Amino acid sequence: DAGITQSPRYKITETGRQVTLMCHQTWSHSYMFWYRQDLGHGLRLIYYSAAADITDKGEVPDGYVVSRSKTENFPLTLESATRSQTSVYFCASSFGTGGTQPQHFGDGTRLSIL
Amino acid sequence: TQLLEQSPQFLSIQEGENLTVYCNSSSVFSSLQWYRQEPGEGPVLLVTVVTGGEVKKLKRLTFQFGDARKDSSLHITAAQTGDTGLYLCAGGGSTLGRLYFGRGTQLTVWP
Repeated sequence: DAGITQSPRYKITETGRQVTLMCHQTWSHSYMFWYRQDLGHGLRLIYYSAAADITDKGEVPDGYVVSRSKTENFPLTLESATRSQTSVYFCASSFGTGGTQPQHFGDGTRLSIL
Repeated sequence: TQLLEQSPQFLSIQEGENLTVYCNSSSVFSSLQWYRQEPGEGPVLLVTVVTGGEVKKLKRLTFQFGDARKDSSLHITAAQTGDTGLYLCAGGGSTLGRLYFGRGTQLTVWP
């Protein structure tokens, strides 16, 4: 089915470990986004990408790495996880300019870092 | 610094009541989007407004974009329990590669 899929849905890991969250969309949308959602902070943009091999930082990029070798995939890696990165992570995509088109969100990955 | 301020942060009302949620900014946006998010899911777009003074209706929901394109409101008439959720506003523009989200209004409608 067409859509945007995040995996895993839930992940528990330990501080210092590397963890990668996956995001896959089937619409061939050019723009993709990674957000984290925390109580009291709302949705905060981590990284976004306008096309394959083009990425840009959002408000809270420290500690995260992204890549976009294919249009449909936009993985997010925490290189050395910290407790402050415990959060719910959402991936989104949009057609055309990221500032005007609606964003389509996945169902999120709930990440706990012990 | 939050570019878009939403108020109230929490709203708890009885079924059948009316309510208004506000989204304010000191910046001008060429488009303003409203999303609703339910527990365990990602936000889902409700509406996009692009013209200053524009009013859009979606059944019992009325969305308004301010004349100066700095603020927006969402009014719900005769709220139902199914309206419960987190309402998010997001501002964007053609020169921006991204949206700026407010922190959201958590609405709970009791039967």
